[in-house]
Amino acid sequence: NAGVTQTPKFRILKIGQSMTLQCTQDMNHNYMYWYRQDPGMGLKLIYYSVGAGITDKGEVPNGYNVSRSTTEDFPLRLELAAPSQTSVYFCASSPTQSEQYFGPGTRLTVT
Amino acid sequence: DQQVKQNSPSLSVQEGRISILNCDYTNSMFDYFLWYKKYPAEGPTFLISISSIKDKNEDGRFTVFLNKSAKHLSLHIVPSQPGDSAVYFCAAASNDYKLSFGAGTTVTVRA
Repeated sequence: NAGVTQTPKFRILKIGQSMTLQCTQDMNHNYMYWYRQDPGMGLKLIYYSVGAGITDKGEVPNGYNVSRSTTEDFPLRLELAAPSQTSVYFCASSPTQSEQYFGPGTRLTVT
Repeated sequence: DQQVKQNSPSLSVQEGRISILNCDYTNSMFDYFLWYKKYPAEGPTFLISISSIKDKNEDGRFTVFLNKSAKHLSLHIVPSQPGDSAVYFCAAASNDYKLSFGAGTTVTVRA
């Protein structure tokens, strides 16, 4: 099993550009999550999903959108990139309310 | 409003000695607590967890203690090894599948 994979690993965006961060898991987990981690801070939940077709906002959803059309994939969309979205983004999945399995992260810089 | 706090940003310990990491929380609805370990340029990996019905959980060199009345938990690593040098995050959850993370403690194990 590859676990949770994320692409790309790094990306530089100009202000106002859009992009999609990809996340795929092969563990057949129902629950998936997107977090961002800013320097010196803990992870903050952006969006989460409890199953295909179901998504909900986390702590910091503004400026982002998600979709969950399959169990495996949970892409995160940035529509109008802003410098405040410069961060490291982690995707995670879990089978139940238990430990979450994280991907390696995407480092995004918006200039 | 940070519901999970790790007040020590860093900890330096000699190889073979005990590492003690502390975590405080404010939300009395939290009933499940986890510790994650993170190396640079990687995603967090699950280390150990504890349910609120217990006050101690042990897994090899790692033990987590929970004091519900004080809303405090700690992670003990005995003996500390060079490979334990990493950032450790405390996280807490209630029954809504969402984790709240602390800001992390950077542990350095000296030879």
